[in-house]
Amino acid sequence: DAGVIQSPRHEVTEMGQEVTLRCKPISGHDYLFWYRQTMMRGLELLIYFNNNVPIDDSGMPEDRFSAKMPNASFSTLKIQPSEPRDSAVYFCASSTSPETQYFGPGTRLLVL
Amino acid sequence: AQKVTQAQTEISVVEKEDVTLDCVYETRDTTYYLFWYKQPPSGELVFLIRRNSFDEQNEISGRYSWNFQKSTSSFNFTITASQVVDSAVYFCALSDPTGSQGNLIFGKGTKLSVKP
Repeated sequence: DAGVIQSPRHEVTEMGQEVTLRCKPISGHDYLFWYRQTMMRGLELLIYFNNNVPIDDSGMPEDRFSAKMPNASFSTLKIQPSEPRDSAVYFCASSTSPETQYFGPGTRLLVL
Repeated sequence: AQKVTQAQTEISVVEKEDVTLDCVYETRDTTYYLFWYKQPPSGELVFLIRRNSFDEQNEISGRYSWNFQKSTSSFNFTITASQVVDSAVYFCALSDPTGSQGNLIFGKGTKLSVKP
């Protein structure tokens, strides 16, 4: 079975630009999570969905960040406008139960 | 509040040595899960194990073993006869039952370097 798929794997953009990260969860998984990893803060949960519905977005840093899950096989995380401090690795994870999460390969974002 | 502490920031061993990665957690809840994930240099996060708070039996999987002790709130991970391919950052994590939906609280990670 294919694992969690994320695209792009690498993204370099300039400050002020819109960035869209994409995630395809494992088929049959009804939980989807977005995490951010930085050296300073480690791994942080940004938001998660259950059955396509956002359950907890308390980790979203500010209004510049938004996430959607229009269907069971696709989610996006958007940053508009992007800032250099948004540079990080963004992970998507999915699961059938809320406990055991399987992570995608991550998107390495660099905002110049 | 829930918290996971991995006091060892970096560990370096020589191949074939045994190595133990420490994990100490804090939670007020009686029901929770503990996890270990591996992040190799390629960057992905690989799930290794999940342990239920009611199951204190140690687990062994090949060269990997886990020791869960509720009395000391620890969930340590031992690699026996380490290999160069074990070089990675290892994260311990705790599920956040207050969120009741599996918010994982990660430790800062331990970087393991296995030298040939």
